[in-house]
Amino acid sequence: AQKVTQAQTEISVVEKEDVTLDCVYETRDTTYYLFWYKQPPSGELVFLIRRNSFDEQNEISGRYSWNFQKSTSSFNFTITASQVVDSAVYFCALSEALGKFYFGSGTKLNVKP
Amino acid sequence: NAGVTQTPKFRILKIGQSMTLQCTQDMNHNYMYWYRQDPGMGLKLIYYSVGAGITDKGEVPNGYNVSRSTTEDFPLRLELAAPSQTSVYFCAVSGTSTHEQFFGPGTRLTVL
Repeated sequence: AQKVTQAQTEISVVEKEDVTLDCVYETRDTTYYLFWYKQPPSGELVFLIRRNSFDEQNEISGRYSWNFQKSTSSFNFTITASQVVDSAVYFCALSEALGKFYFGSGTKLNVKP
Repeated sequence: NAGVTQTPKFRILKIGQSMTLQCTQDMNHNYMYWYRQDPGMGLKLIYYSVGAGITDKGEVPNGYNVSRSTTEDFPLRLELAAPSQTSVYFCAVSGTSTHEQFFGPGTRLTVL
């Protein structure tokens, strides 16, 4: 079974639209961490956010916001007023312990001008 | 500070050849990881290390070996390259408290 599921393989939006990337995770641990990473066309992996399982507060950073809901095992990522530079593959990841790190298959976001 | 460096950036191997992918960090983190990323896919953990002298298998260890003799270095060895090992390989490090991983730039390996 997939530990991290990103059901949206690819999303295309027009610049300035809002877009939400979905992430559903599966774990039996009570302590775990969730992450989002961005992989632009250049290929590097850029860390965006980390949440631990005890902190369900939503977070906003500029145009980015994250909605963590333990009841539905989801950790969704919203980009407000998308820009062309947001075009990338976005990965959600789960860490149950320091040696147990699982990535989703990624969502490719295309932002068109 | 260079962070996490990987060499080489690109490599083409013939079936059956061997090679070592190098990973070096100057962040003084204990935990190091090797991942592979196949085209259009997410990352899969190959091996990880919690400190010098200690390594353990991840999800997809077959065909690979690792060693960790120092905090800074975590080389990944391919002994008998196969086309199925064509992938981009990422090395990552993390501290003990945050779980946040910092990635190297990757090595693109093609086995023909």
